[in-house]
Amino acid sequence: EAEVAQSPRYKITEKSQAVAFWCDPISGHATLYWYRQILGQGPELLVQFQDESVVDDSQLPKDRFSAERLKGVDSTLKIQPAELGDSAMYLCASSSGFFRPQHFGDGTRLSIL
Amino acid sequence: GQQLNQSPQSMFIQEGEDVSMNCTSSSIFNTWLWYKQDPGEGPVLLIALYKAGELTSNGRLTAQFGITRKDSFLNISASIPSDVGIYFCAGYAGGTSYGKLTFGQGTILTVHP
Repeated sequence: EAEVAQSPRYKITEKSQAVAFWCDPISGHATLYWYRQILGQGPELLVQFQDESVVDDSQLPKDRFSAERLKGVDSTLKIQPAELGDSAMYLCASSSGFFRPQHFGDGTRLSIL
Repeated sequence: GQQLNQSPQSMFIQEGEDVSMNCTSSSIFNTWLWYKQDPGEGPVLLIALYKAGELTSNGRLTAQFGITRKDSFLNISASIPSDVGIYFCAGYAGGTSYGKLTFGQGTILTVHP
């Protein structure tokens, strides 16, 4: 069982609706990452946090996606409004610092109808 | 940006056979990571490599950090059915102060009993 906790495991929703994903990293890990993974491809970084601050959100579609880590521990990724093309696996990972191995959660499989 | 070319894309082997896969780049990497991903789950870290020439084992798995720092190799000895899955290489290159992990496209491994 992954030590990075994510919920929900599965989410099915209609386009134009709002969706939210939650992640609790490994205790003590200051660096947290959100990735999107399309079937058959490697994960692609959406946003990286160091404590509560965003370090890199250059690949985050900011018109519809938002991410926060208010207290520097757990994090939420939101999509509003969801589009058909957002269907994918959303993975959270954490590490003890920059350039350290990342540990992944089991992800949230999102399906947009 | 950096790209990792992982090969082969897929492998079909008999139980008991050894497996080799590799990852190459035109850029120098400072850390290499190997992950395994089962369907519907997040990637699990198998091996981390930090120095050129380093050879590290984890049970039946052995990985090497290439001398040129532009490649890495993963070997699985005496494969078993539970080795089935997608294997990803990933690495940290220079270029950012915060460490952006680059992933290969993955190698799909099928093991026939």
